[in-house]
Order: sequence, then C-alpha cells, then structure tokens
Amino acid sequence: GQSLEQPSEVTAVEGAIVQINCTYQTSGFYGLSWYQQHDGGAPTFLSYNALDGLEETGRFSSFLSRSDSYGYLLLQELQMKDSASYFCAVSGTGFQKLVFGTGTRLLVSP
Amino acid sequence: NAGVTQTPKFQVLKTGQSMTLQCAQDMNHEYMSWYRQDPGMGLRLIHYSVGAGITDQGEVPNGYNVSRSTTEDFPLRLLSAAPSQTSVYFCASRRGDGNQPQHFGDGTRLSIL
Repeated sequence: GQSLEQPSEVTAVEGAIVQINCTYQTSGFYGLSWYQQHDGGAPTFLSYNALDGLEETGRFSSFLSRSDSYGYLLLQELQMKDSASYFCAVSGTGFQKLVFGTGTRLLVSP
Repeated sequence: NAGVTQTPKFQVLKTGQSMTLQCAQDMNHEYMSWYRQDPGMGLRLIHYSVGAGITDQGEVPNGYNVSRSTTEDFPLRLLSAAPSQTSVYFCASRRGDGNQPQHFGDGTRLSIL
C-alpha cells in the first residue's frame, strides 16, 4: 500500500517563504504530485515530480528525493490567497491509483 | 469545457437509503476516480477506473459500488447509507498515468441521518 505524511498546519506571513514537507511509503513509485484546495473548493493541480530535483512553476517549486522518499513544496512571496490546504499525492503500485496525504493547512497572515 | 460535473451538489439521506452520485467528464479522459474527504483525513480513494468496463477498489471501497459503461460517466452507488458515510465526495479524471494533472469536480456534500 501507500502512505504519506505531512505536517497538519503551517503558518507564515505575507511575503515570506514556506516549505511544506511530505514523506511517503509506497511499493513502487512513479511520481509525487501536489494539489491546492481552498476551503469549500475542489483540489487543483500544482505540480508533479517524477525525477529527483527541483521543479519551478512561478512562485511555487516542488522538490523530490526518491532515495529519501521525501519531497517538499516551496511557496515564495506568500500572498493571502495562498491560505489553503496543500496535499501531496503519490502514484505507486498499479500506476493508475493516485493516493493523497492528509494535507497541510497553510495560514498566511498580514 | 464543463470539465468534471458532479450531481447533486448536496444531499441528505436517511440511514438505509440508497442513492447514486453522478459524475461526468467531457475531456475524453481514460482515468476516473472517486474520493471522500473527511475533516483531518485528507482525500481517500474509494474506487477508480482506467477505462470503460474496468474498475478497481481503492483504500475505502466498502459500502460503495461503481461501474463504467462509457468513457464519460462514472457513477458511485451507496448501497445502504450509514452515518459513517457522511462526507464530501469528489470525482476526478485525468488523461493518462499518474503524472497527468487530475481534474476534480466541485464535490457532493452528503449527510446521512
């Protein structure tokens, strides 16, 4: 099976940089994804890492270390609208399933 | 494009009732999935499908059935509703393997009394 661990909550101020960590256990690994979900909304895709290293998309970057079964999402120049829950997800054994972590709630204050 | 459409948006059921949550996508995606989301539990995979006629169980399949007769539709059936099934249900679809973005519907908020 698959399991993922994330911190339950992270707080930061506007303009700051925050890192949300994710460790995973899976039999077979094809990639680590990140999704954002605002309260009352649906999850939306942010990024995907299949190989080790950093992927950058605007203010958001995602990192993966397959040897450590670890990844993180880096959010720069935080804005109030970044207050949301962030989920990591792995596609592992069977390749087709996408299993999510329990999510990290990010609170951005002025 | 409508994307992924879920109906209904809200539903209240009594214990023991059955119902079907509808999900349709217009992006010709092969992969479709159902998740439930409970406070503090994240998104848990109920069932998924890799194409018409092919379905498989996820992490929490008990009490739910699915079928995939067409590429577009992936209904979720609650056989005999229980209060433990009170949750927000999300349907999702994606084009191919796990690295493709998964598109979610707006969710169905289901309460079982």
